[in-house]
Amino acid sequence: GAGVSQSPSNKVTEKGKDVELRCDPISGHTALYWYRQSLGQGLEFLIYFQGNSAPDKSGLPSDRFSAERTGGSVSTLTIQRTQQEDSAVYLCASSPTYLGELFFGEGSRLTVL
Amino acid sequence: RKEVEQDPGPFNVPEGATVAFNCTYSNSASQSFFWYRQDCRKEPKLLMSVYSSGNEDGRFTAQLNRASQYISLLIRDSKLSDSATYLCVGETSGSRLTFGEGTQLTVNP
Repeated sequence: GAGVSQSPSNKVTEKGKDVELRCDPISGHTALYWYRQSLGQGLEFLIYFQGNSAPDKSGLPSDRFSAERTGGSVSTLTIQRTQQEDSAVYLCASSPTYLGELFFGEGSRLTVL
Repeated sequence: RKEVEQDPGPFNVPEGATVAFNCTYSNSASQSFFWYRQDCRKEPKLLMSVYSSGNEDGRFTAQLNRASQYISLLIRDSKLSDSATYLCVGETSGSRLTFGEGTQLTVNP
């Protein structure tokens, strides 16, 4: 498809395990964002990639969270030693321009037991 | 203070009503503003961009007030299908896009 693709759509894991969430943005989009949304809450910014610039990691809640974007395309968000408070929907969005319209994937719903 | 703030509501209005949402922002240099719509358990989708001169798309009007640093969304002749959460987006001082907490709207028959 031509949209933003995220996988897995659902992930249930045990506390303390590591998880990887993948985002495949729209081809040619230079900007890529990760947000987190807990039930009934707004979107919490996590990290932002723009072209070849250093990513803006200022939203990552702890050093257990990291993300990379390879070749300016696919991005992986990694959460190490997951905690119950990490349970949320992780949304990825890409944009063709700097500070332009965001196109969202359907999200990865993470449940930490 | 959050960089983008909006009234969480909820707003409950009858069909046909006019409803307005406001969103304040703290970065006076911000150039990019948007309104997104999010349906329950779905991803946000762009409703409209907000331009300096204001813009309209059918029943929806977006405005920017730079002096008071807020953006607004006006929905006229509300439909049942307008029930959703409306999210405002602005550019932070760190030059990234940040979402407000969202305003929940329910349009009742």
